[in-house]
Amino acid sequence: DTEVTQTPKHLVMGMTNKKSLKCEQHMGHRAMYWYKQKAKKPPELMFVYSYEKLSINESVPSRFSPECPNSSLLNLHLHALQPEDSALYLCASSQAAVGDSSYEQYFGPGTRLTVT
Amino acid sequence: TQLLEQSPQFLSIQEGENLTVYCNSSSVFSSLQWYRQEPGEGPVLLVTVVTGGEVKKLKRLTFQFGDARKDSSLHITAAQPGDTGLYLCAGGLYNFNKFYFGSGTKLNVKP
Repeated sequence: DTEVTQTPKHLVMGMTNKKSLKCEQHMGHRAMYWYKQKAKKPPELMFVYSYEKLSINESVPSRFSPECPNSSLLNLHLHALQPEDSALYLCASSQAAVGDSSYEQYFGPGTRLTVT
Repeated sequence: TQLLEQSPQFLSIQEGENLTVYCNSSSVFSSLQWYRQEPGEGPVLLVTVVTGGEVKKLKRLTFQFGDARKDSSLHITAAQPGDTGLYLCAGGLYNFNKFYFGSGTKLNVKP
């Protein structure tokens, strides 16, 4: 099973709302990722969790707050977003990089976020 | 600075034609993935190449990893409208949980 699930599929929120995106995987992967993707562009990395600890934050504004409650779950808490934050938000997982071992990412279907 | 340069950015061809997409870098990758993405959906992993010089085939798709593990190509034979989508290459570095994406190739195959 190489499935990564994401909920919700679509989300519309106002600039004063608080919402959360959820991601789950059961592949035993110990690295999980959040990406933001605008139309016709490649995914932009936001955060990386490795063994449930935040290992990379790509200078993301604090209105995005990631959380990794356990090795299977990854959340992205949203607060006071701007219209330009509207995008497809993708979650991915992979084995944790160790030494010279190769690894690959598996993506979820994404959450289409619209900020009004 | 883009670590992976992908070309071409756009490709519009007729059904039955062949095409090649390139992914180049000056960095050595531990592995390189190719994905296809439909609008509004997540990227779907097509293949992972890990060994320099490796060639993998997936039906009409042929993937090659350069000998020095710095570049890769995707060749599609006799393209079909169902091949339409955004093709992405992504490279992983040794001992580091981060993937670097190419800029993507938007392929449109006309019937």
